[in-house]
Parts: sequence; structure tokens; C-alpha cells
Amino acid sequence: GNSVTQMEGPVTLSEEAFLTINCTYTATGYPSLFWYVQYPGEGLQLLLKATKADDKGSNKGFEATYRKETTSFHLEKGSVQVSDSAVYFCALSKTGRRALTFGSGTRLQVQP
Amino acid sequence: EPEVTQTPSHQVTQMGQEVILRCVPISNHLYFYWYRQILGQKVEFLVSFYNNEISEKSEIFDDQFSVERPDGSNFTLKIRSTKLEDSAMYFCASSDEQVSYEQYFGPGTRLTVT
Repeated sequence: GNSVTQMEGPVTLSEEAFLTINCTYTATGYPSLFWYVQYPGEGLQLLLKATKADDKGSNKGFEATYRKETTSFHLEKGSVQVSDSAVYFCALSKTGRRALTFGSGTRLQVQP
Repeated sequence: EPEVTQTPSHQVTQMGQEVILRCVPISNHLYFYWYRQILGQKVEFLVSFYNNEISEKSEIFDDQFSVERPDGSNFTLKIRSTKLEDSAMYFCASSDEQVSYEQYFGPGTRLTVT
């Protein structure tokens, strides 16, 4: 079946550091890939998405590239801020389906 | 900005009792979903609902669970006879048919079964 594996957290960085959160997936066909973010006390928010191989999703300085050859969708940001502290979830949906399969989430803590 | 709302934020119930979790999706959305997250585990898909019927469901969504859209605004998840293992955070989500696959989540209801 489909699955998503994320690096375990928490990830603790200083402000302006470079961020990478690794995500790999297992799925048949060509799933759509997503990163969701959850700030304290709030619901999950879509951060970015990519629907086909080599697509790059980007939003708010975050980027992730759909790599079919390595089945990966790593999240990156060049310079993190304290306000980026949250839990980040990698997810996929199968072609033609809407149900999301999530990774376990990675907590990011950015210190001033 | 439109948002998905859920009530209550926290529900405590005794094992064997029925609970109804409520959600108000974004008003022009057509697809509705329930997910759950048991403490320390992954967010898991339960069910999706479109055009007044279930469009997808997971193996978790057994006969104990049901969903309903009782009026034009609410979307509910009912658990008929709660078990200890139903304790989790339950998230409602909705999406616009036009913008494929972008789901908007509510803040969740924490269900505690004692």
C-alpha cells in the first residue's frame, strides 16, 4: 500500500539557518505530493504541492521537488524564522483519489 | 478568510456511549473528509463524502462510524459505541471541486474515551 516516511523530530535550528526535512514515499503510479503545516492550536494548512515528477512546489520561501527516481519530496527553506516553528507533514494522494496518506510529522523548533 | 470549524474542541465520553463530532466546512466546498490522529501516531484518513454519499473510506471506518450532512452547512461524524482506542484527535476537512486535492482542515476535536 501507500506510505510516507519522514525524518523524526524535533528539528531544532537557529534563526536564519537552512532547513531540510526529508520525506520519501511508497506508492504505485504517480501520486500527488504535499506538505502540510500545523501551527499550535490550529488545523493542518497546505504549504505546497506537486502533482507530477520534477514539479517544484513553493510557498512562503519553502520549496520541495517531486523526485520520481528517488521517490522523495524533501522540504527546504533557505533561512528559517521563529515563526516557522510548527509541525510539518508530508502527504500523498493516489492518482484520481482524494484521500491523503500522511507521514508521522516533523516538529521544527526555531530559536532566536 | 473562510475556514473549517469544528465543535466541540474537546469531548470526554464513557466507553460504549455514542458521540457526534460536528464540522462546518467552507461554504462553497463540495468534498468533505474526516481524519483522525491517535496520540503519537500518524494522521489517518477515515472517510470522504461527496454529493450526499461516501466516496472513499478506509478500513478504519467500520460499522461503528457514520457520517451525515444533516443540513446545508454541517457535516458530522458519529461513533455509535465508543471504545478506548477511539481516543484521538479528529480532523474535518473540505475541498473545492475546482481546485483538485487542496484540502482545508479544521482545528480538530480531541475525543477522550474513559
